[in-house]
Amino acid sequence: AAGVIQSPRHLIKEKRETATLKCYPIPRHDTVYWYQQGPGQDPQFLISFYEKMQSDKGSIPDRFSAQQFSDYHSELNMSSLELGDSALYFCASSIKNRGSSLNTEAFFGQGTRLTVV
Amino acid sequence: GNSVTQMEGPVTLSEEAFLTINCTYTATGYPSLFWYVQYPGEGLQLLLKATKADDKGSNKGFEATYRKETTSFHLEKGSVQVSDSAVYFCALSGRAGGTSYGKLTFGQGTILTVHP
Repeated sequence: AAGVIQSPRHLIKEKRETATLKCYPIPRHDTVYWYQQGPGQDPQFLISFYEKMQSDKGSIPDRFSAQQFSDYHSELNMSSLELGDSALYFCASSIKNRGSSLNTEAFFGQGTRLTVV
Repeated sequence: GNSVTQMEGPVTLSEEAFLTINCTYTATGYPSLFWYVQYPGEGLQLLLKATKADDKGSNKGFEATYRKETTSFHLEKGSVQVSDSAVYFCALSGRAGGTSYGKLTFGQGTILTVHP
């Protein structure tokens, strides 16, 4: 079965550079979530999109922005990178059940490991 | 707000030992509860879930029961294997306070190491 695809898998950037992470959700999934997992930490919710509109916002820095496109893929743009941005970034997707305000459980991609040097 | 607390780790067991990883939560409304597993260098995989009180989630020999009265969702397995070595995350999602269903709040994770 198709899973959530994230690219790139690994990324090395220097301080103050920008980075763009991409996420391709499971086909027919309409909701995308972004999480940040620092070394030895639990994943922290950053932001989510439903039908190309931002649906929820967590602890996402102002230097970061994200969007969901018409094909439902999403991109997380990170500017003025700091050493503390080094982390594993997960994307997850889900689908809103018909006739309900609830989504299915979230399915995660394998993550993008960002290293800022 | 929502929060999840897991037992402190790491947990080290011998093969075929009994496993319990405690998880308690704080949430308003009626959250859904999940256990996710993360193998080294891998992403998060859903292990099991429960969406209402007294539901039991189970998968691959792991079980957890949604206990509303004690706000707990402890993970258990009767006989662990070396291949179960991973990090286990308890998580919740809910609709309370406008939180979307799929937005997850994770516990801090428990590292499990199983020796032959």
